[in-house]
Amino acid sequence: NAGVTQTPKFQVLKTGQSMTLQCAQDMNHEYMSWYRQDPGMGLRLIHYSVGAGITDQGEVPNGYNVSRSTTEDFPLRLLSAAPSQTSVYFCASRKGGTSGNTIYFGEGSWLTVV
Amino acid sequence: DAKTTQPPSMDCAEGRAANLPCNHSTISGNEYVYWYRQIHSQGPQYIIHGLKNNETNEMASLIITEDRKSSTLILPHATLRDTAVYYCIVRVNTGGFKTIFGAGTRLFVKA
Repeated sequence: NAGVTQTPKFQVLKTGQSMTLQCAQDMNHEYMSWYRQDPGMGLRLIHYSVGAGITDQGEVPNGYNVSRSTTEDFPLRLLSAAPSQTSVYFCASRKGGTSGNTIYFGEGSWLTVV
Repeated sequence: DAKTTQPPSMDCAEGRAANLPCNHSTISGNEYVYWYRQIHSQGPQYIIHGLKNNETNEMASLIITEDRKSSTLILPHATLRDTAVYYCIVRVNTGGFKTIFGAGTRLFVKA
């Protein structure tokens, strides 16, 4: 049972480039989300999904796109990378309903935009 | 989801109890109090949650005031490995997944 898996772990991008951060979970969780964490700051919600085909915006969605074609995968796309998007990105998932108490996080993806 | 207020940082001596406060004065009747922690740059880790009653597990205890407007996470015998950022979150147990994390409390456990 791998839990929440994020790839890549480290990435350096040039301004204007696009890329996709991958997130997969093998726990059959309905809910998945992406957070970013800037140095010394808390987590900020980018986008989230309550099931396949359903996504919604979080606190800081601008510059990012998501899709949820399967229950397992929730990729985060940076359309045109900017230095302000330099951050650590965490993917998370949890089970739906009243039994979905615990949020499980991936190990993070460190992104630097130069 | 209701907002929470936590002190930005706290110190605790190793072996002593660490008491981390959280204010959530606008909490709704169906919202639970959750605590997570983040060690260094790892992904946050679930600690404990509760609705009205005090809760205890192998990691910590959670004390919720009778009016539910505040709570305290207690680490009974803090160790150096408990140095981390602790997040207090309030949210409903069902429905959407728009879980908002604040800045948390940075706990320093000192030898």
